[in-house]
Formats: sequence, C-alpha cells, structure tokens
Amino acid sequence: RKEVEQDPGPFNVPEGATVAFNCTYSNSASQSFFWYRQDCRKEPKLLMSVYSSGNEDGRFTAQLNRASQYISLLIRDSKLSDSATYLCVVNIGGGKLIFGQGTELSVKP
Amino acid sequence: DGGITQSPKYLFRKEGQNVTLSCEQNLNHDAMYWYRQDPGQGLRLIYYSQIVNDFQKGDIAEGYSVSREKKESFPLTVTSAQKNPTAFYLCASSIVSGGRYTEAFFGQGTRLTVV
Repeated sequence: RKEVEQDPGPFNVPEGATVAFNCTYSNSASQSFFWYRQDCRKEPKLLMSVYSSGNEDGRFTAQLNRASQYISLLIRDSKLSDSATYLCVVNIGGGKLIFGQGTELSVKP
Repeated sequence: DGGITQSPKYLFRKEGQNVTLSCEQNLNHDAMYWYRQDPGQGLRLIYYSQIVNDFQKGDIAEGYSVSREKKESFPLTVTSAQKNPTAFYLCASSIVSGGRYTEAFFGQGTRLTVV
C-alpha cells in the first residue's frame, strides 16, 4: 500500500461546479497535512494546510479525518483558473514529506 | 528576496557522467528535500535533511547522493548508477518548529536530460 494515495484523475468539470478530492494515508502517526497546486511544468505551490478542525479559504475547504486516515479538498464554484494538478502531501513523521500522485482537474467553459 | 534557488534550470549531460544539481535557500529553514518528478507522475522523495550534517534516504535514493555541510545548501549528485536520470528535479525546504514541520517551499526546479 502506498503511503499517500489520491483519487485517480482526471476530473473534467464545467465552470461553477463543485468538485471534491480525497486522499488517504497509511501511517497513523502522520503529523502534518497539506494540499498543493501544480501548474504544468511548474513547481508545486501551497494551496492550504489542513487542520484537525477543518479549514476554509474562500472557495476552498479542507478537512482531516484522523480516525479514517484521509484528507479532503472541496472546491466550490470552479473557475477556469482552477485547472491544475492538485497534490495531497503528508508529513508521515521524522520530517519525511510524502506526496500523493496528484489529481488533474480541468475546468471547462 | 528570500527563497529557494535551484540552478541551472535546464541541464544536459551525456550518459555515464555524474552531475550535481544546486539548491540554495536563504529562508533559514532547517529541513530540506529533494524530489524527482517524471511526466504525468507525482513527486517522489529522493533524500531529505532535518539538520546540518545529517540526511536520510527517501523512497528512491539509489543512484543519488547528497551533502548538507551548510544550513542553506543541499546539493544533489546524480551518479552514473542512476538508470533513468532524465527527470524534473525539485528542491524544497521547511521550518521545524517544536518538532513539527511546516509547509514546504519549492525552488523552480531543474530539468535534467541525459543523452
């Protein structure tokens, strides 16, 4: 089993749609959780950290479920500019930062 | 400006040659990381370092070597033992605070092509 696994993509959605990504992790001792966005041929950039209580930033909501060992990202009212690859990232302990394989999102007019 | 600098952006090497990729940060971050990304794939961890003069193997360390002699520098050497070295290499760093690691910040990456 992979240490961090994401929903397979790609996700193709119309503008204005709501889309959700899930990610599971195998190490129950994992400490920190993040969602990154990566545009084509660029470096990943932090979208948001994920806190136990859940957190929201505008159209984006991230949640953590420690009991089931998964994190989620919800994007509401999708924009064309949201098209990118979304990467789930988990610090599994001892500073080891592991990325999921990424989920590609394509938002169409 | 504070940040992470990777150089060069594009690198071409002949098969069988060792090559060293540079990564420098002036963010005063404790932890540094090297990842490899192949087309259509996620990032795979090569090596990581939590403090100076210490580093650990990631999931795909074979054929690579690193050093961490200074806090701000974490160079990666791709050796001739690496069977498929052509890839996009990304360096990152993060703060360690109270034993917890904050989000990682990335350099712009180096695209290595071995011919």
